[in-house]
Amino acid sequence: QLQLQESGPGLVNPSETLSLTCTVSGGSVKSSTSYWGWIRQPPGKGLEWIGTIYYSGTTYYNPSLKSRVIISVDTSKNQFSLELSSVTAADTAVYHCAHGGGGGYCYSTSCYAHWGQGTLVPVSS
Amino acid sequence: QSVLTQPPSASGTPGQRVAISCSGSSSNIGSNFVNWYQHLPGTAPKLLIYRDNQRPSEVPDRFSGSKSGTSASLAISGLRSEDEADYYCATYDDSLRGPVFGGGTKLTVL
Repeated sequence: QLQLQESGPGLVNPSETLSLTCTVSGGSVKSSTSYWGWIRQPPGKGLEWIGTIYYSGTTYYNPSLKSRVIISVDTSKNQFSLELSSVTAADTAVYHCAHGGGGGYCYSTSCYAHWGQGTLVPVSS
Repeated sequence: QSVLTQPPSASGTPGQRVAISCSGSSSNIGSNFVNWYQHLPGTAPKLLIYRDNQRPSEVPDRFSGSKSGTSASLAISGLRSEDEADYYCATYDDSLRGPVFGGGTKLTVL
């Protein structure tokens, strides 16, 4: 069973870069049919898609965040990562990593069959 | 403001049937599959329905999805206390060129 676990700093200062890593177990980030995503949930609000990456390295980002986001894959560590630059208090959220495709139920990037439990990242000085 | 519109809350008593709506437009629900998620804060969201009305094998058949035009619906029959959670619809938006989520519906089992 594929499992995902987010990790990163517990607090980020305004204007700095938020960096998170998602460690994949029970599966491989090198799966040619899988896609890997980041979704966040600000306090008291709904889910917001941040971006998606395929093993090929092709990435898709939320247009509202595109200028500040980089998602990458590290095959040697079986991880994928999120970098969000120039953060403000509005970026405070629980950040989830997620997986779709891989011959499972999902083939569209709005569909993720496996999720991490999420990590809260406050942005505050 | 979410691209997909869901009622902020819904409720029912044990054993009842409840339905949660998700309204969109021709650029999202009207032309792409809809997925539904169940989410308890602090836990990993769970995929309930994919491709409008398909259910993962581990999801009970009490959960069902449907779609008509630019609206979709999640129905839960035989409501149980453990169904109390937040529910989100999601689909791809051709205009925004990315996935979009509804604002979420908090289901309370009375």
